[in-house]
Amino acid sequence: EVQLVESGGGLVQPGGSLRLSCTASGFTFSSYYFHWVRQDPGKGLVCLSRINNDGSSTLYADSVKGRFTISRDNAKNTLYLQMNSLRVEDSGMYYCARDPGGSWDHWGLGTLVTVSS
Amino acid sequence: DVVMTQSPLSLPVTLGQPASISCRSSQSLVHRDGNTYLNWFQQRPGQSPRRLIYKVSNRDSGVPDRFSGSGSGTDFTLRISRVEAEDVGIYYCLQGTHWPRTFGQGTKVEIK
Repeated sequence: EVQLVESGGGLVQPGGSLRLSCTASGFTFSSYYFHWVRQDPGKGLVCLSRINNDGSSTLYADSVKGRFTISRDNAKNTLYLQMNSLRVEDSGMYYCARDPGGSWDHWGLGTLVTVSS
Repeated sequence: DVVMTQSPLSLPVTLGQPASISCRSSQSLVHRDGNTYLNWFQQRPGQSPRRLIYKVSNRDSGVPDRFSGSGSGTDFTLRISRVEAEDVGIYYCLQGTHWPRTFGQGTKVEIK
């Protein structure tokens, strides 16, 4: 069974940092691209970043470019999102999602990030 | 960025009746590889999104056949042939053709 489990969320002050992790099981992790997605409180879904299967190619939304870094460790079946210079508007539920090609077929349960003073 | 516009944003439906959600994109979603990466997701209260439909009209394994997707280019539709109580939730379209990937605003389906 495909499982994605996010962790690392929490309460952080504006300007602070967090590192999110997404641990995968039940499939060959290194065969897939992955995305990080944020669901804003009471609002919609925003795609933040994508990484290819070997980590050599990454993409970012303009809103997080230069502040967030996506990475992966295929030996540990884990995806990461390093978030620096956090802003209040970065608050929300963060999901990792598996991408078999142009779509996201499995999502994790999410980890909540709250940026507040 | 490609703007995805869903309508309606709220959809009260009687049990057993059909429902239809529209999703329009500001640019064509036909990829240079010839595929159209338009997807539909269902998010039940308190849960993560679940993919229902990929590449416009392909239903995921385990998705009831009362769900169907159609459309082309910039105009797409998700249909539920007979709404059941378990279909309550928010439905999102997602385009996977252009970067950044973008979602529609969501359509809240509720039972009248």
